[in-house]
Amino acid sequence: GQNIDQPTEMTATEGAIVQINCTYQTSGFNGLFWYQQHAGEAPTFLSYNVLDGLEEKGRFSSFLSRSKGYSYLLLKELQMKDSASYLCAVYNTNAGKSTFGDGTTLTVKP
Amino acid sequence: GAVVSQHPSRVICKSGTSVKIECRSLDFQATTMFWYRQFPKQSLMLMATSNEGSKATYEQGVEKDKFLINHASLTLSTLTVTSAHPEDSSFYICSAARGGGRNEQFFGPGTRLTVL
Repeated sequence: GQNIDQPTEMTATEGAIVQINCTYQTSGFNGLFWYQQHAGEAPTFLSYNVLDGLEEKGRFSSFLSRSKGYSYLLLKELQMKDSASYLCAVYNTNAGKSTFGDGTTLTVKP
Repeated sequence: GAVVSQHPSRVICKSGTSVKIECRSLDFQATTMFWYRQFPKQSLMLMATSNEGSKATYEQGVEKDKFLINHASLTLSTLTVTSAHPEDSSFYICSAARGGGRNEQFFGPGTRLTVL
């Protein structure tokens, strides 16, 4: 089976930096995804990591350590519109699908 | 590229009727499509995985006779909620995977179903 853990809620201040962690246990790992989901909308793709290290894309960066079963999503220069749920998903080759974490609800305050 | 559409975006129906939701990959061929259900303030729940031309694989606890999935082509999958009841009211989201190694899923905008 697969376990994916991420914090339920986080709060941060506009302009600040926030790190959302995700830990996982899986066999057949073949990629970790981060998605953003605003209330009432479908998820949208943010990042993809399959090798260890940091992937940077604008204000968002994602890090992966396969040996530790750990990833984080780093959001810089937070904006109010970044208030959303952030989903960590791990692709399992054996299962042929991704398993999603329960999501971290981020609230950005002025 | 990689756009997925869903139709309808919102549907209200009477209890006992059937509702069909379409999911289309508009600019790529989807080897696999996924159907999710999400209740308010809850996480995504995978209902089934479908591959073109074969039967869908349902997750444990999902009734295959109630939630009929047809993946007729590489760009179209449909979910039919048969004999809908108020407890089936939810946000239904499809996603499509392009394949080719990266396994990224592209999500449709979702369909909000309300059963009266």
